[in-house]
Amino acid sequence: QSALTQPRSVSGSPGQSVTISCTGTSSDIGGYNYVSWYQQHPGKAPKLMIYAVSKRPSGVPDRFSGSKSGSTASLTISGLQAEDEADYYCYSYAGTYTYVFGTGTKVAVL
Amino acid sequence: QVQLVESGGGVVQPGKSLRLSCAASGFTFSSHGMHWVRQAPGKGLEWVAIIRYDGSVKNYVDSVKGRFTISRDNSKDTLYLQMDSLRVEDTAVYYCAREGPQTEFDPWGQGTLVAVSS
Repeated sequence: QSALTQPRSVSGSPGQSVTISCTGTSSDIGGYNYVSWYQQHPGKAPKLMIYAVSKRPSGVPDRFSGSKSGSTASLTISGLQAEDEADYYCYSYAGTYTYVFGTGTKVAVL
Repeated sequence: QVQLVESGGGVVQPGKSLRLSCAASGFTFSSHGMHWVRQAPGKGLEWVAIIRYDGSVKNYVDSVKGRFTISRDNSKDTLYLQMDSLRVEDTAVYYCAREGPQTEFDPWGQGTLVAVSS
């Protein structure tokens, strides 16, 4: 199972919006609505930000939103804040107890 | 609160074995699938293994099949990863994570570092 494809980095100024894409195939993202997104600050464990494509866990700010079209999922951060600077990973279920993460995207707040 | 705490990491020579543990608390451990995910230094996340809530199903990423074994003891609320025939490329921080109803990973443990080096 190959990793999902994400851009290596994206950046934006405080208050702006950034969107991270996550491209898979019909065997993973395109086949299931089990897409989630994780935020990871340096030296820390990943944190769930979005699950089931577009649902936000309790405590996650509503400036984080998720969507999916075909085999590509997206995470949008609106109203970018300094604390949003981190690595972000997408994930998709790929069938028969197989799971795959994205390559990761570094978000820089300028 | 819901918590996962890994232990058992360390420095080991190639070809040797190591067993990781993940102690769960704050939730009904026996009701959830559990995963191991690893992250090599400076690299991304890689899913390693899954065990169903009752232990009846296990699966692994191809690179560890035949070398790693995931198991659980629901009476002790503990998840394990037995790693045999370790390779240099297995060097990583290993995280355990609980599987949610939509296959999401939440929460994660703090991770334990495994370094395979001669």
